[in-house]
Parts: sequence; C-alpha cells; structure tokens
Amino acid sequence: EDQVTQSPEALRLQEGESSSLNCSYTVSGLRGLFWYRQDPGKGPEFLFTLYSAGEEKEKERLKATLTKKESFLHITAPKPEDSATYLCAVQVSGANNLFFGTGTRLTVIP
Amino acid sequence: DAGITQSPRHKVTETGTPVTLRCHQTENHRYMYWYRQDPGHGLRLIHYSYGVKDTDKGEVSDGYSVSRSKTEDFLLTLESATSSQTSVYFCAMGTSGADTQYFGPGTRLTVL
Repeated sequence: EDQVTQSPEALRLQEGESSSLNCSYTVSGLRGLFWYRQDPGKGPEFLFTLYSAGEEKEKERLKATLTKKESFLHITAPKPEDSATYLCAVQVSGANNLFFGTGTRLTVIP
Repeated sequence: DAGITQSPRHKVTETGTPVTLRCHQTENHRYMYWYRQDPGHGLRLIHYSYGVKDTDKGEVSDGYSVSRSKTEDFLLTLESATSSQTSVYFCAMGTSGADTQYFGPGTRLTVL
C-alpha cells in the first residue's frame, strides 16, 4: 500500500535555528515527490518537485533533497515568515493524482 | 495564485441539500482536480478531469459527482450533503497528469 509519512507533526524553532523536516514514502513506483507550503486558510503553494534519488532543489532558505526512501526539507536560518504547514506529496507511476502526507506545522519564534 | 479561483469560499448548508462548488482557471490547463482536506488526513483526491467532458474517480469519490463542460470550469456536486462531507475543498490544475499541480484558495463547507 502506498504511504507517505511526515515527521515531526509540529516543530517550534527559534529564529535562526536551522532544522530539517522529513517525508518518508513507500510507493510502488515514484514518478515525483512534491513539497508544498500551506498558510492557514489558504491553498497549498508549490515549492519543489524532485524526480530521482540524489536530486536537490533550493529556494531562499529552503533546500529539498531526495533519497530512495525519503525526502528532507532543510530550513536554514529560518525567519518568522517561514511559519506554515509544509506538505509532502508523491505521485505514483501510472497515477494522475498526488498522494499527500499530513504535514509538518512549523512555528518560528522571533 | 490568481490563475485559479474557487466559489463560494465559505458555505453552510443542511443535511440532504444539494451543493455545487465551482473551480475556475484562466491558465488553459488540461487537468483539473478536486481534493478534500480533513484533520488527521492528507489531502485526498475526490475526482479529476483530463479534458472537457473527461473525468475519473479518485480515492474518496462516493457521494460526489463532477462535470467539466469548458476547459476553464470544473464543478463538484454533492447530490445530497451529509455531515461527513464537512471539509475544506481544494481545486487544483496541471498541464499534464505528471506535472506540478497548482491549488486554488479552498472552499470551507459545513453541513449541519
């Protein structure tokens, strides 16, 4: 059974304190792994797509990496505006939908 | 993103009434999707469309129907709303089945 698990469920960081969010997956065949950011009361906002193990993508303070079993979203020197829920989703080969994890709620304290 | 909108943004209705949610996109994307988001669950696919009049079921399609008569509009209908359909509904669009999906702002539906 295809499964996506995100950890931790919630994370509180001091401003400037770097950390990583984890997304582990068990799927029959990975077509792509997606990271989204979701602010309260809004729709998910696309951040990154990763397609193969070893791939990395960066955007400002965020860096996403992918292995054959998991993906990490590294946050370097976070700011309060990085507070949000971060969602991981996988697309399985032959499928058209995304299969989402339940997210990590990040709070960055000034 | 202004390229995809949803209406209404909030709706309260009673059990047994029909409800239609609308998704409108201005990007000419071929694929459109309806998801629901509930606490403790990730976003789950209800139905999707891969072209005008072409639709297919998702993971949680029972109690829902969809229609797509124009590229830009994708409608989700709850024929007879139930309390279990209280949720936040998101529409998404993409250029192909394998491409990135871009989400709308969501509709919060409460069924009393």
